[in-house]
Amino acid sequence: DVKVTQSSRYLVKRTGEKVFLECVQDMDHENMFWYRQDPGLGLRLIYFSYDVKMKEKGDIPEGYSVSREKKERFSLILESASTNQTSMYLCASSFNMGGYNEQFFGPGTRLTVL
Amino acid sequence: GNSVTQMEGPVTLSEEAFLTINCTYTATGYPSLFWYVQYPGEGLQLLLKATKADDKGSNKGFEATYRKETTSFHLEKGSVQVSDSAVYFCALTLPSGGYNKLIFGAGTRLAVHP
Repeated sequence: DVKVTQSSRYLVKRTGEKVFLECVQDMDHENMFWYRQDPGLGLRLIYFSYDVKMKEKGDIPEGYSVSREKKERFSLILESASTNQTSMYLCASSFNMGGYNEQFFGPGTRLTVL
Repeated sequence: GNSVTQMEGPVTLSEEAFLTINCTYTATGYPSLFWYVQYPGEGLQLLLKATKADDKGSNKGFEATYRKETTSFHLEKGSVQVSDSAVYFCALTLPSGGYNKLIFGAGTRLAVHP
């Protein structure tokens, strides 16, 4: 079974803190993705990575950065957390071959910024 | 731009009722279409997909047909169960060199009562 794990299910941080969200996949996938999920907005892509040390901005990258030092691990970083970053964060991974490659999702991290 | 529009929820049904969740899309080119499901406390799982016009995706009793003429991909199930209670997301992707970025609708919450 494909496994995508996220470091925390729930996280509470204060405004201005630096926050790290970790994601690990065990399927040797090339692609990894970070989304945020908000009611009424669905999932929106923050960043994705198609290889180690490679990254591309998604639709809402402002206020976020990412790091991919190893193929299996993709980190989302909130440099200075703000209350409008309170959300559910979902990580996903997929192969990078021709045609469509299914994305497999982790269980999510619910982040609250106070 | 590319987008997905789903019917607003929540949808509340009795067990064994017929389910329809509407989904329409706007896309340049020829998208592939998906339904993802998110059960309480879990990440998203691919429910079904269709990659070209008139294809029908099906899984676990759910079906959806890719209708290019009406740009729609409505989800249907003949007889819902309490265990189908979840949030359902319609999504599309366009060929993009293997990255397979997904564009999601807002999600529709389904609640099924005994």
